[in-house]
Amino acid sequence: EAGVTQFPSHSVIEKGQTVTLRCDPISGHDNLYWYRRVMGKEIKFLLHFVKESKQDESGMPNNRFLAERTGGTYSTLKVQPAELEDSGVYFCASSHVREFGYEQYFGPGTRLTVT
Amino acid sequence: AQSVTQLDSQVPVFEEAPVELRCNYSSSVSVYLFWYVQYPNQGLQLLLKYLSGSTLVESINGFEAEFNKSQTSFHLRKPSVHISDTAEYFCAVIKAAGNKLTFGGGTRVLVKP
Repeated sequence: EAGVTQFPSHSVIEKGQTVTLRCDPISGHDNLYWYRRVMGKEIKFLLHFVKESKQDESGMPNNRFLAERTGGTYSTLKVQPAELEDSGVYFCASSHVREFGYEQYFGPGTRLTVT
Repeated sequence: AQSVTQLDSQVPVFEEAPVELRCNYSSSVSVYLFWYVQYPNQGLQLLLKYLSGSTLVESINGFEAEFNKSQTSFHLRKPSVHISDTAEYFCAVIKAAGNKLTFGGGTRVLVKP
């Protein structure tokens, strides 16, 4: 079974540009999560999808971030326009149902560098 | 709200020596606890978790963690580390019926020969 995949693995963009990160969850996982780790800080929750619906977006830093999950499969996270403080590693995770012990399966992350 | 504190940001240790990674949490509600590990150039992998029952939980590769409710701790231990245990370890909590993990800052373990 394929794990959570993320694309690209690295992205270097200039301040003011737009970047779109993609996450493909494990097949059959209804729950999809985005997290971010800014340099030297903790990994922080951004948002949670259940299928195509946003269940919780309380962690989204501001309206420059837009997440979508069309059709309840893969998800994209767009940053527009990017700022220097958006640099960090963006992780995607997915899970099946809570009865499985809340285990979230993580992808390898996308390292975003804004210059 | 929950918070997680990992007291050591880096832990150097010699091969075959024991290691303990400390994790303390704060929460006003019941939580479940996890340790995740990130090996170089890989994603986070679940190492072990505490949901209920025995307060001592073990992983398949020799790690164990003990949930201590009175001290609000979930320290991770291994009696004898290998070079392959070099990684970053994250303690995390999720509130019962919650959806988001709250992570500590991570502890980098460097195993030296």
